Amino acid sequence: QVQLVQSGSELKKPGASVKVSCRASRYIFTSYPMTWVRQAPGQGLEWMGWINTNTGNPTYAQGFTGRFVFSLDTSVSTAYLQISSLKAEDTAVYYCARLKSYYSFAYYYYMDVWGTGTTVTVSS
Amino acid sequence: DIQMTQSPSSLSASVGDRVTITCRASQGISNYLAWFQQKPGKAPKSLIYAASSLQSGVPSKFSGSGSGTDFTLTISSLQPEDFATYYCQQYNSYPWTFGQGTKVEIK
Repeated sequence: QVQLVQSGSELKKPGASVKVSCRASRYIFTSYPMTWVRQAPGQGLEWMGWINTNTGNPTYAQGFTGRFVFSLDTSVSTAYLQISSLKAEDTAVYYCARLKSYYSFAYYYYMDVWGTGTTVTVSS
Repeated sequence: DIQMTQSPSSLSASVGDRVTITCRASQGISNYLAWFQQKPGKAPKSLIYAASSLQSGVPSKFSGSGSGTDFTLTISSLQPEDFATYYCQQYNSYPWTFGQGTKVEIK
């Protein structure tokens, strides 16, 4: 079945950068956009934005502009989240999720399959 | 931003109970609402989209209803594997927002 396998846990120092990968399998990668969601320790889910896997065009939620970058390598069906100038408050589990769409007066997107999650810990 | 408020924040229930979780949006979102289940240490699992449509492979004991600002997730007969935290999420407009979660615990 459809799978999204994410890269392993990361321990980084403040000010460093991290790149999280999300490798898709068993579907046509460019046919479905990808979204990213953050979950801080003991907290709920927070939407970060999404990327059009066909055009590479990203959309970022407020609060995730500047230091956060979504990118793709379609040759290996992989989406990436890069975070630069890491801060302690970036400590969280980061999830990718595939988006499916349907038309209802406009196109609407919902999450169907989630990635395995990547824990990023920022600590000196 | 649209605020999503779930109630209750937690509940205790027994195996076999019928459980209902409510999600209220701060403004109308038509039926652009999804529900997710998350178990400790695991990724969320998608249950429902468009307020009432079951995701593929999700058992029919889960059902969703509502439109506009008020929505419900119902589990018809709670089983041990259903003890988890449940989140609603609106995708009517950016930024997509989640409810704070409802933790379903064993009584």
